Amino acid sequence: DGGITQSPKYLFRKEGQNVTLSCEQNLNHDAMYWYRQDPGQGLRLIYYSQIVNDFQKGDIAEGYSVSREKKESFPLTVTSAQKNPTAFYLCASSPRTGEGKTQYFGPGTRLLVL
Amino acid sequence: AQSVTQPDIHITVSEGASLELRCNYSYGATPYLFWYVQSPGQGLQLLLKYFSGDTLVQGIKGFEAEFKRSQSSFNLRKPSVHWSDAAEYFCAVGAWDYKLSFGAGTTVTVRA
Repeated sequence: DGGITQSPKYLFRKEGQNVTLSCEQNLNHDAMYWYRQDPGQGLRLIYYSQIVNDFQKGDIAEGYSVSREKKESFPLTVTSAQKNPTAFYLCASSPRTGEGKTQYFGPGTRLLVL
Repeated sequence: AQSVTQPDIHITVSEGASLELRCNYSYGATPYLFWYVQSPGQGLQLLLKYFSGDTLVQGIKGFEAEFKRSQSSFNLRKPSVHWSDAAEYFCAVGAWDYKLSFGAGTTVTVRA
């Protein structure tokens, strides 16, 4: 079954701690994205990557970092510089050809601060 | 940059009644338009999309949407809602650079 997996489903962060959210896809998509979702604000783009070893900042990249070493993986690190990390984080992917602007989403990770 | 407005934060509809969710977009060129649905605590599921061609687009779960360029709108409709349609619905507009901009969402409540 092709799809996008995100782990863990829930993640707890202590003060000053960096945490990493996992996103894996087996859809053979070139592009991958990370969004943050807060109640009443829709989705906001954190980072995106169109090919391996390349990524760009989205609208709210401060306090976050990413890597794209493999086509199928796009982990997101929430650093201690992100002062308000409590949110629902969604990963998505899309092909770059054909209807390449159609994004497909994973199930999400909820990050909570202890 | 593109943007999306969903004017209705919350809509309540009776089961079996029709549903229409409004979406207005701002984008200088031909837009790519999407509707997604999200159940509580879940990811987003694609309902339908518009890239070009026929302005009336059919999607999954009996939903359809109509692209009206003159009104910069892409409203979502369903003739008869089911209790399982209770969820949050997001409209999104895409640009040439693969980035999507999302509306704030409309929460749909279905009453028996």
